[in-house]
Amino acid sequence: GEDVEQSLFLSVREGDSSVINCTYTDSSSTYLYWYKQEPGAGLQLLTYIFSNMDMKQDQRLTVLLNKKDKHLSLRIADTQTGDSAIYFCAETPRSQGNLIFGKGTKLSVKP
Amino acid sequence: DSGVTQTPKHLITATGQRVTLRCSPRSGDLSVYWYQQSLDQGLQFLIQYYNGEERAKGNILERFSAQQFPDLHSELNLSSLELGDSALYFCASSVTPDRANTGELFFGEGSRLTVL
Repeated sequence: GEDVEQSLFLSVREGDSSVINCTYTDSSSTYLYWYKQEPGAGLQLLTYIFSNMDMKQDQRLTVLLNKKDKHLSLRIADTQTGDSAIYFCAETPRSQGNLIFGKGTKLSVKP
Repeated sequence: DSGVTQTPKHLITATGQRVTLRCSPRSGDLSVYWYQQSLDQGLQFLIQYYNGEERAKGNILERFSAQQFPDLHSELNLSSLELGDSALYFCASSVTPDRANTGELFFGEGSRLTVL
């Protein structure tokens, strides 16, 4: 079935790197996504990776994709207090337009 | 601001009641998605409409229904409400039914429903 798994909490110190991991189930997903939800707000697309890529870097963000293990990770370098939020991993079910989200990882950044 | 508007932002009602949540998608977006976010279930896909037609269905209860109108706004109707229906309900929109290219969904800020 469709199930995207993520750890629920991560706590880091300001300036450290954060790594949020995710496992997904649908190998046909063309894109895999990371969305960010700040307190009291809706979700916002943070970054995405095309399924034929292994890595994508975008400023402080690095996405790694291991298709064999269906594992996706998001690395945030030099984590700041403003990065405190819930991060959702999402996949695309076969032939559907909707996204399937994990339960989200709450990132807490301590000063 | 994502451009997706949801009303009301907060709603408190009693068990057994019926409520309607409204969503206006981004200008030009034809596809609307509804999601339910609760603490224990995370973000659950409910239903998708494209240009007025139902496109995909997720974990939507029979007590819930939705529609998309000719002006592309959408409404989610929740009836015979139970305590467990208390959640944040998000609407999202995209241009195409299959989210071509980057596949981005644009989310509203949500409607928080509390059932007492």
